[in-house]
Amino acid sequence: GQQVMQIPQYQHVQEGEDFTTYCNSSTTLSNIQWYKQRPGGHPVFLIQLVKSGEVKKQKRLTFQFGEAKKNSSLHITATQTTDVGTYFCAGLTGATNKLIFGTGTLLAVQP
Amino acid sequence: EAQVTQNPRYLITVTGKKLTVTCSQNMNHEYMSWYRQDPGLGLRQIYYSMNVEVTDKGDVPEGYKVSRKEKRNFPLILESPSPNQTSLYFCASSSDRGYSPLHFGNGTRLTVT
Repeated sequence: GQQVMQIPQYQHVQEGEDFTTYCNSSTTLSNIQWYKQRPGGHPVFLIQLVKSGEVKKQKRLTFQFGEAKKNSSLHITATQTTDVGTYFCAGLTGATNKLIFGTGTLLAVQP
Repeated sequence: EAQVTQNPRYLITVTGKKLTVTCSQNMNHEYMSWYRQDPGLGLRQIYYSMNVEVTDKGDVPEGYKVSRKEKRNFPLILESPSPNQTSLYFCASSSDRGYSPLHFGNGTRLTVT
């Protein structure tokens, strides 16, 4: 079936290091959304990308949508302890109009 | 304040005892959905609803029921809970399916013994 794979599952960084999580789909996506879930919390919407090759920035966070609209990435520059949490991508499949969540990447930041 | 309210936050029950997790949103959203979150598996959709009286199965619907009698409410019903339904459950809503941000409730941690 349609899947959205996310890697890595877990990443541990020192504060100040950069971090990237990748999302890959087996099918073309209409759009991709990114969510952040703090420990013990619920997923919170960060951003949506729609266009092929689109790049959006939110302060230290940079989001990209691949040219083929099958992959996406979230890059955090100079991580801070407030970045701790699980980051999920969610892709809207064109064929079935389903929003499929990736498995998430848990980010731990050591001060 | 715009929000999705889920209750209860924590629930411990025994196998076979029917339970309902409530979900209510105050944003007049048409689309509502239930997810379960398990380690290493991410968020998996249980059921969703496009509007009042319109519900459909997600990826893992077995053992669950839902209803959408009013636009704001979307309860999740476990008629006969089993231990494999022990999980963290989230209700979410949005103004449309997939093109608008999902707003999540605070979650319900369910343990079935």
